[in-house]
Amino acid sequence: KAGVTQTPRYLIKTRGQQVTLSCSPISGHRSVSWYQQTPGQGLQFLFEYFSETQRNKGNFPGRFSGRQFSNSRSEMNVSTLELGDSALYLCASSLAVGSYEQYFGPGTRLTVT
Amino acid sequence: AQKVTQAQTEISVVEKEDVTLDCVYETRDTTYYLFWYKQPPSGELVFLIRRNSFDEQNEISGRYSWNFQKSTSSFNFTITASQVVDSAVYFCATGGSEKLVFGKGTKLTVNP
Repeated sequence: KAGVTQTPRYLIKTRGQQVTLSCSPISGHRSVSWYQQTPGQGLQFLFEYFSETQRNKGNFPGRFSGRQFSNSRSEMNVSTLELGDSALYLCASSLAVGSYEQYFGPGTRLTVT
Repeated sequence: AQKVTQAQTEISVVEKEDVTLDCVYETRDTTYYLFWYKQPPSGELVFLIRRNSFDEQNEISGRYSWNFQKSTSSFNFTITASQVVDSAVYFCATGGSEKLVFGKGTKLTVNP
């Protein structure tokens, strides 16, 4: 069974731009969660989607948004990029919402210059 | 609010030594889950174990073992006879009905 895939793997953007990251969950998994990982703050939860609806949201500004499609694939968007948005963005899929085993993708390394 | 503390930032051992990674959690949920993940240098988090709050039995899986003690809110992870391939950052996490909250991680280096 194929794992979680994320595209692109690496991205370089400049301040003020926007970016869209994509995540394809494991087949059969309907929940997709997004995390931001930085050396200073560690792993921080962004949001979780299930059946195309946002179910949980972390403490991030409105510049961070996401969506989920009918095939469970998910995208997250960051608008008006700031230097502090440089991070590894990880996507995780699971069978359902809540504390089920989450399986992570390889991440997208975003660098904002 | 949920919180996970991994007091050990970095640990360095020599191959074949046993090593224990500490995890202390805080939660107000009566039903909750505890997890351990491994993040090798490649960056992808690898799921290791999930335990629920009603099951305090220790678990052993090969060289890995987990000690869950509700009385001390701890969920420690021991690697027996460590190997170089065990070098990674290990994260403990807790979750109830909603999101997972991760600790800051413990970087384990196993030297040959």
